[in-house]
Amino acid sequence: SQQGEEDPQALSIQEGENATMNCSYKTSINNLQWYRQNSGRGLVHLILIRSNEREKHSGRLRVTLDTSKKSSSLLITASRAADTASYFCATMDNYGQNFVFGPGTRLSVLP
Amino acid sequence: GAGVSQTPSNKVTEKGKYVELRCDPISGHTALYWYRQSLGQGPEFLIYFQGTGAADDSGLPNDRFFAVRPEGSVSTLKIQRTERGDSAVYLCASSLEGTSGYNEQFFGPGTRLTVL
Repeated sequence: SQQGEEDPQALSIQEGENATMNCSYKTSINNLQWYRQNSGRGLVHLILIRSNEREKHSGRLRVTLDTSKKSSSLLITASRAADTASYFCATMDNYGQNFVFGPGTRLSVLP
Repeated sequence: GAGVSQTPSNKVTEKGKYVELRCDPISGHTALYWYRQSLGQGPEFLIYFQGTGAADDSGLPNDRFFAVRPEGSVSTLKIQRTERGDSAVYLCASSLEGTSGYNEQFFGPGTRLTVL
C-alpha cells in the first residue's frame, strides 16, 4: 500500500526558527496533501500539491514534491508557538479514491 | 458556512454493545470519508462514499463495522458487538467530489469512542 511516512516523528524548535518535515510514499500518486491537527482532534487542511507540481506556497508554508524520489517536504518559516501541533501528509492515488495518511510529525514550538 | 459536524463528541460504551456515530458533511459535498485514529497515529481510512453508495469500503476492519449514507448527505457509522480495541477517535471528512479534480477534504472534530 502507499503509506506516507513522515520524519522526524517529533521535532522541537524555538519560536522564530524554521521547521522542516518530510514525507515519503511508495506508489504513484495523484496528489499529496498536508494537514495539521491540534490536541488529537479535527484535522485542518494546509496545502495540496498535485503530482505535476514541484513547489507550492501558502503564507509561511512551503511544500515541495519530488515524484522521482517519492517524497515531499513541508517547511514552516518563522515558526510561532501556535504552530505547535501534529502534521500529517496524505497521498491520493491516481484513481482519486485511496487516501492514506502517514503517522505524523509532532512539532513543538517553544516560546 | 457550517463545517463538518459529528455527533456525539464523546461516546462511552461497554464491550459487546452497539453504537452509532453520525456525520453531517458540508452541504453540497458529494464525497464522504470515515477514518479511525488511535492515539499517536495517523488517521486510518475506513470507508468512502460517493453520493449514496460506498465506493470503497476496503478499510472496514471486519463485518462488525458498517456505514450508510441513504440520502447522500448524512452518514452513520455503525459498530456492532464493540470491543475494547475499537476505542479510538472516529473522524469524518467530506469533499466537493471524490475522484479527480480538487480533492481537499474537510474534517469534522471527531467522535471519541471508549469501549470499557
